[in-house]
Amino acid sequence: AQKITQTQPGMFVQEKEAVTLDCTYDTSDQSYGLFWYKQPSSGEMIFLIYQGSYDEQNATEGRYSLNFQKARKSANLVISASQLGDSAMYFCAMREGRAKAAGNKLTFGGGTRVLVKP
Amino acid sequence: DAGVIQSPRHEVTEMGQEVTLRCKPISGHNSLFWYRQTMMRGLELLIYFNNNVPIDDSGMPEDRFSAKMPNASFSTLKIQPSEPRDSAVYFCASHLGLAEAPQYFGPGTRLTVL
Repeated sequence: AQKITQTQPGMFVQEKEAVTLDCTYDTSDQSYGLFWYKQPSSGEMIFLIYQGSYDEQNATEGRYSLNFQKARKSANLVISASQLGDSAMYFCAMREGRAKAAGNKLTFGGGTRVLVKP
Repeated sequence: DAGVIQSPRHEVTEMGQEVTLRCKPISGHNSLFWYRQTMMRGLELLIYFNNNVPIDDSGMPEDRFSAKMPNASFSTLKIQPSEPRDSAVYFCASHLGLAEAPQYFGPGTRLTVL
């Protein structure tokens, strides 16, 4: 089974509108972490936001927020007030289990391509 | 502060040649990860190190691939001999070792094997 599922391969959004990118995950661990990364056309992977499984509040970082629904195992990224520079691939990733001193592996989803229209 | 540094940024080689990709992690980070990204398979973890020791190499596709981390500030990924199906973008990422800390990625090396 896929550990991280991003069901939207691509989507359009109008500039200045909000967009929600879906991410569902599968783990039997009680402790885990969820990350979102942005990959613009230039290719670099840029960290956006983090949500820990025990965090009671949804994470927010500027125009990015994470809609964390633990019972549904979803961690959707919300981008508010979209800008042209938000056009990129977006990846959801999960660290299973507690953070370990011996390294923390991430599993990535397949990504969602967002195109912001002027 | 300098981020993760990778070299070369682009590499074009012929099938059968040896390819060496290099990575310098962020100073103070104790984990280093090598990923491969292709259109068909997405982002795949190849191997990762903690305190210079390989922890999990289950993603290394075949014996043609090898990785080393001789010290805390340098790692290499070697492909010998290279094949056209190895063409991909190879990313190196480093991590501080804290639960909420993200992995920070380098700019990647785009490898083309003809």
